[in-house]
Amino acid sequence: RKEVEQDPGPFNVPEGATVAFNCTYSNSASQSFFWYRQDCRKEPKLLMSVYSSGNEDGRFTAQLNRASQYISLLIRDSKLSDSATYLCVVNRGTGGFKTIFGAGTRLFVKA
Amino acid sequence: DADVTQTPRNRITKTGKRIMLECSQTKGHDRMYWYRQDPGLGLRLIYYSFDVKDINKGEISDGYSVSRQAQAKFSLSLESAIPNQTALYFCATSDRVAQAGANVLTFGAGSRLTVL
Repeated sequence: RKEVEQDPGPFNVPEGATVAFNCTYSNSASQSFFWYRQDCRKEPKLLMSVYSSGNEDGRFTAQLNRASQYISLLIRDSKLSDSATYLCVVNRGTGGFKTIFGAGTRLFVKA
Repeated sequence: DADVTQTPRNRITKTGKRIMLECSQTKGHDRMYWYRQDPGLGLRLIYYSFDVKDINKGEISDGYSVSRQAQAKFSLSLESAIPNQTALYFCATSDRVAQAGANVLTFGAGSRLTVL
């Protein structure tokens, strides 16, 4: 079993739709959590950190449930430009060595 | 100019050839990393370096070596390339963090390597 698991998708949604991605992690010692966005053939870029209290950045909302070891990302009012792969990332401690990437969930937003 | 620059961006080579991928950064970060990405597998860590004198193996270091020439430069070598090393390679950097586990990575644009 992978340490960080995501539904690979693809998710195909119309513009304006709300879409949710889920991610589970297996190591209960994990300390910090992120969502990265990766466009086709490009590098991953930090989208947002995920906090236990939940956090929002414009149309994006991230949630963390430590008890269930579950992370989510909600995108409201989807735009064509949201089409990308979304990577769930978990840090088990300081340093990149303990940074574990999920394989990503692909999103296609269509007009 | 990009904060993290990788060269070459694309390379096609033959089995058995030696290949070097180079990475330089202007962010002033101490920590540098090399990852490879394969479809369906996510990013996997090859090597990482927390400063010039500190080099560590990641989860898939076999067949690879690295050199940290300066704080800003970290190169990855494939001494004798093989076809299953065909992948997209990313260099990344991060700063020291005060809060445990808060490491955020900045990636280069990637180097696509094809080994025939």
